[in-house]
Amino acid sequence: DAGVTQSPTHLIKTRGQQVTLRCSPISGHKSVSWYQQVLGQGPQFIFQYYEKEERGRGNFPDRFSARQFPNYSSELNVNALLLGDSALYLCASSPSWGIYGYTFGSGTRLTVV
Amino acid sequence: GENVEQHPSTLSVQEGDSAVIKCTYSDSASNYFPWYKQELGKRPQLIIDIRSNVGEKKDQRIAVTLNKTAKHFSLHITETQPEDSAVYFCAATRTGNQFYFGTGTSLTVIP
Repeated sequence: DAGVTQSPTHLIKTRGQQVTLRCSPISGHKSVSWYQQVLGQGPQFIFQYYEKEERGRGNFPDRFSARQFPNYSSELNVNALLLGDSALYLCASSPSWGIYGYTFGSGTRLTVV
Repeated sequence: GENVEQHPSTLSVQEGDSAVIKCTYSDSASNYFPWYKQELGKRPQLIIDIRSNVGEKKDQRIAVTLNKTAKHFSLHITETQPEDSAVYFCAATRTGNQFYFGTGTSLTVIP
């Protein structure tokens, strides 16, 4: 059974560009969350989606947006990239709404130059 | 919002010794506390969790304790092995839709 898959694994972008990161949750998992992990820090919550609806949003600017598709996969979009957006972006899935431990994907390493 | 503090930031122990990592949280409504292990270049992996209606939970060499009154919880690893070397993160949530993570503890087990 496949785990949480994220693509691409690595990405280099220039300041001002836009980026789209993709995530496929574990089969049967309906909730997807996105986290940003800056080097040396813990993950910071960006979004949670459940049943294609946004259920939570962290303290990130409007340059960050996301969506969830009918098959429960998800995309995270970041516009007008800044150097400070360089980080590991983690997608996590959980079975349903409510309190469950996450299963994280391996992440997308974004470098903004 | 919730604030989770984690200590120490680095920890070195001799193989076979015990390791203890402590976290405090600020939101008394938080009711689920997972611990994640992240090896270099890899994804965080859930190693143990505890809910607020339980004071302690064990899984082989790993245990977690929770003190709701003091709002702190701890990870205990006994008989440490070199493969326990990693960064460990604690987290807290009260809703399940947003987890607040600590800043991590880099554990090194010296053979």
